[in-house]
Parts: sequence; structure tokens; C-alpha cells
Amino acid sequence: AQKITQTQPGMFVQEKEAVTLDCTYDTSDPSYGLFWYKQPSSGEMIFLIYQGSYDQQNATEGRYSLNFQKARKSANLVISASQLGDSAMYFCAMREDNQGGKLIFGQGTELSVKP
Amino acid sequence: EAGVAQSPRYKIIEKRQSVAFWCNPISGHATLYWYQQILGQGPKLLIQFQNNGVVDDSQLPKDRFSAERLKGVDSTLKIQPAKLEDSAVYLCASSYEPGSNQPQHFGDGTRLSIL
Repeated sequence: AQKITQTQPGMFVQEKEAVTLDCTYDTSDPSYGLFWYKQPSSGEMIFLIYQGSYDQQNATEGRYSLNFQKARKSANLVISASQLGDSAMYFCAMREDNQGGKLIFGQGTELSVKP
Repeated sequence: EAGVAQSPRYKIIEKRQSVAFWCNPISGHATLYWYQQILGQGPKLLIQFQNNGVVDDSQLPKDRFSAERLKGVDSTLKIQPAKLEDSAVYLCASSYEPGSNQPQHFGDGTRLSIL
């Protein structure tokens, strides 16, 4: 079974609008962390935001926020006021604390921001 | 602080040849990871080191892949002999410790093409 599912292979958004990238996860570990990374065409993986399973509030980092719905096992990334430079692949990843530090990644969503 | 350094950036070899990749993590990061990212997929962990010891190599094809981190700092990943399906980007990442909320920081990757 897929541990991390990103159902949107590609998304388009108009510049300055908000966009939500979906991520659902599957784990029986009560302690885990969820991460979002951005990968531009140049290839580097850029950390965006983190949410811990015990965190009471949704994480926010500048224009990025994470809509964490624990009961539904979803961790959607919201990007507000999209910019042309946001065009990239976006990966959701999970770390299960009883599995060490490794990250399990989803398939990714390619976001294209239109001017 | 300096980021994770990887070399070479690109490598093209023929099948059955050998190849080696080098990674220097962020200073002070005890945990080092090697991931394989096949085109169109998310990264998949190959091996995780804690200082100079192996924590997880369950996904490493040990008949052809090897990795070491002799002094607990930089690391090399080797493939011998290479197969066509090894064409991928090899990403190195590091973090302070494996189970914390600290994100893994990635290098720019080595893009390997097998002819």
C-alpha cells in the first residue's frame, strides 16, 4: 500500500492566486512527521514546511501553510499568492519515528504558475 | 552555513561500468542519507548512516551498490556493475539527528545516465 499519495500529477494556478496541493498518508505509528519539499527543474530539493503528528496547530512558513487533518490522514500544502518562481515539482514526505529518520516520498505534483 | 556538497553533477557511463559519487554533508550533521530518484518518481532511500555506522540499508541492491562513510563525515556511493535501470538522480541528504523535527537538507544530486 502507498504510504504517501499525491493524487494530482499536475496543477495550474494563476499568478497571485492561492493553490492547494493534496497529500494523504498511511501509517500506524502514532509519532510521525510530515514534510513538504520543492524541486525546481534544476533538481535540488528545497525544504518548505514541517508538521509533527502531535502538533496542535497547523504549520505556517511565510506563504506556505499546511492544512493538517489528522483523522483524515491528510496534509495538504497551501501556497498563497502564487509567484512564477513557484513553478516546480512538490513532494510530500513522511518520517515514521519507529522507522528511523528515513523519508518516504509521494510521487509529486508538478505546479505551473501562469502569468 | 555551507550546504550539502555532491559531485559529480552529471555522469554518463555504459552499462557494466562502475561509477562513484561523493557527498559532504553539512558540518555537524551526524546523519547522512543516500536517495535514488528515478525520473517521474519521488526519491527512495538507499542507505542511512548515523556517524560512520549503517542504520538502514534494506533498500540497497547490495549485489551492485556499496556505500561507506569511514570517518563519519563525507560519504561515497558506488555502483559496480551499472545496469540500465540505475539511470536516476542520486541525492545525498543530511540532518542533525534522525528522529527529530529537523528537516533533511539535500544536495544538488548527481544525474546518472547509463548507455
